Amino acid sequence: EVQLVESGGGLVQPGGSLSLSCAASGIIFSDNWMHWVRQAPGKGLVWVSRINADGSATSYADFVKGRFTISRDNARNTLYLQMNSLRADDTAVYYCTNVFDWWGQGTLVTVSS
Amino acid sequence: QAGLTQPPSVSKGLRQTATLTCTGNSNNVGNEGAGWLQQHQGHPPKVLSYRDNSRPSGISERLSASRSGNTASLTITGLQPEDEADYYCSAWDSGLNAVVFGGGTKLTVL
Repeated sequence: EVQLVESGGGLVQPGGSLSLSCAASGIIFSDNWMHWVRQAPGKGLVWVSRINADGSATSYADFVKGRFTISRDNARNTLYLQMNSLRADDTAVYYCTNVFDWWGQGTLVTVSS
Repeated sequence: QAGLTQPPSVSKGLRQTATLTCTGNSNNVGNEGAGWLQQHQGHPPKVLSYRDNSRPSGISERLSASRSGNTASLTITGLQPEDEADYYCSAWDSGLNAVVFGGGTKLTVL
């Protein structure tokens, strides 16, 4: 059974930082491109970032470019998202996913003073 | 980033058939195909169909996906109360080098 388990969400003040993790099991993690997708309360799904299978290439949505960094550790089957300079409009559930096959349960990030 | 276009809402009666559409362009749906996701309130998305229009194991045969040109469709026959949910399409956009989503369609079963 495939499991993607996100952690690291929580409440952070504007301008602060947070680091999300996603532990994968039941898949050959190192074979898969992985993504972070977010969903603000009551809104739709929005792609945030992706990383290729060996971690050598990444891309970001314009609204997080320069603030967020995606990375992975294939030895630990773990995906990461480092989020800096957080803003109120970054408040959302963040999902770890390969989009077309598997999705995690999500972790809630709330940016508020 | 530009997204895919879905109607915001569709309403159909119990046991009727609903067809949800998703329109993109030649860089995404037309070239790479589209996947479909179902999301019930308070739950994560669930994959209903892959980009080649096949279904994951365990997904009802009442659901079928197809594509014509730059438009993908998801047809749900014999609508049941549990089909009431939000439905999203997704595609890889080779021009944007990014995943694009539709805005979602809220399906109401009357």
